[in-house]
Amino acid sequence: AQTVTQSQPEMSVQEAETVTLSCTYDTSESDYYLFWYKQPPSRQMILVIRQEAYKQQNATENRFSVNFQKAAKSFSLKISDSQLGDAAMYFCAYRGLKTSYDKVIFGPGTSLSVIP
Amino acid sequence: KAGVTQTPRYLIKTRGQQVTLSCSPISGHRSVSWYQQTPGQGLQFLFEYFSETQRNKGNFPGRFSGRQFSNSRSEMNVSTLELGDSALYLCASSQSRDVAPNEQFFGPGTRLTVL
Repeated sequence: AQTVTQSQPEMSVQEAETVTLSCTYDTSESDYYLFWYKQPPSRQMILVIRQEAYKQQNATENRFSVNFQKAAKSFSLKISDSQLGDAAMYFCAYRGLKTSYDKVIFGPGTSLSVIP
Repeated sequence: KAGVTQTPRYLIKTRGQQVTLSCSPISGHRSVSWYQQTPGQGLQFLFEYFSETQRNKGNFPGRFSGRQFSNSRSEMNVSTLELGDSALYLCASSQSRDVAPNEQFFGPGTRLTVL
């Protein structure tokens, strides 16, 4: 069975600084997607960034980028120029293309605080 | 395009009762998934529907059930409510497995409190 681990329950960052959130996963599949979701206090889950496993190039969305290491099964999220609005719970998620295609497996989450 | 909507947003029930939650996916999306979110267990997959058929089910007791209608709207039902069913129930929609990357878009959730 696939699992997703986020080893940092809480993180904090100074406004305008950079922070990296860690995520590791375990799977025997070769094709899958990885996602980072953000859940602010409003509880609305928002997709931040996604990575296709077959792509070697790391995904980037404005201030958000990932470091995808397929062999190490690592998928970290880097937030640059942190803003107060980035404060939220961040979830790393996995979706396989075959055996686990119909469901997304989420990590336990990392609570990010942004200090003014 | 309107996002995923869930009704009701808040619900208070007592033990033993049953509850039905509703989810309307984004127009054109045919897949609807349900998740339970609790502080202790995090986000757990409940089930996923596509074209009115349940394709996958998480590790939840039979008290949790769902269905999908021809217009892709989905409902989930919890019978004989227990205190531990108190949670945020999230619905997510996606287009179909044939449309990569088939990312899910989440609704605002229904907060269920069981007293």
